[in-house]
Amino acid sequence: QKEVEQDPGPLSVPEGAIVSLNCTYSNSAFQYFMWYRQYSRKGPELLMYTYSSGNKEDGRFTAQVDKSSKYISLFIRDSQPSDSATYLCAMSAVGGAQKLVFGQGTRLTINP
Amino acid sequence: DTEVTQTPKHLVMGMTNKKSLKCEQHMGHRAMYWYKQKAKKPPELMFVYSYEKLSINESVPSRFSPECPNSSLLNLHLHALQPEDSALYLCASSQDNLAGYYEQYFGPGTRLTVT
Repeated sequence: QKEVEQDPGPLSVPEGAIVSLNCTYSNSAFQYFMWYRQYSRKGPELLMYTYSSGNKEDGRFTAQVDKSSKYISLFIRDSQPSDSATYLCAMSAVGGAQKLVFGQGTRLTINP
Repeated sequence: DTEVTQTPKHLVMGMTNKKSLKCEQHMGHRAMYWYKQKAKKPPELMFVYSYEKLSINESVPSRFSPECPNSSLLNLHLHALQPEDSALYLCASSQDNLAGYYEQYFGPGTRLTVT
């Protein structure tokens, strides 16, 4: 079993829809949770970073962490074609030189 | 500014060549990382530098040799690579990695093809 599980999709939704992306994990030592967006043939871009449990909002993006269920989510409101990309969740434990453990990535397409 | 730059953007090399990848950041970050990413896969950690010292080598073959000449620069020297080493090589940096957590920022990557 992988430490971090993420549905690879692909996921295709119409423009303006609310998108929900999710990851589950097994390592209870994970305390830091990130979402990266990666466009084709580009480097990952940090979208959201959350420490421990709770919600964080930034514009159209909301990140949620539920440590009791070992489950994290990224919501995208009013999705745009420019949001079409691969979304990677990543996690890190306290200490450990900040080794990131990534999910497999979900390919998202927003259709105009 | 959270920019990490990488050169070259693309590199094609034969199995007997020696080449180097370069990464630079001017954010004052003291931790730098090399990742390898194959198509449709997440990045895989290769090396971690903390304060210019190699702190993690994820059992990477010796044909990959990292170097951190100063706190802003990170190189990856390549020698006698195999075709299966063809991938996107990503550099990242973070403010620190010895205490607490600081976000990692990635560069655009170098797309390497080994022929």
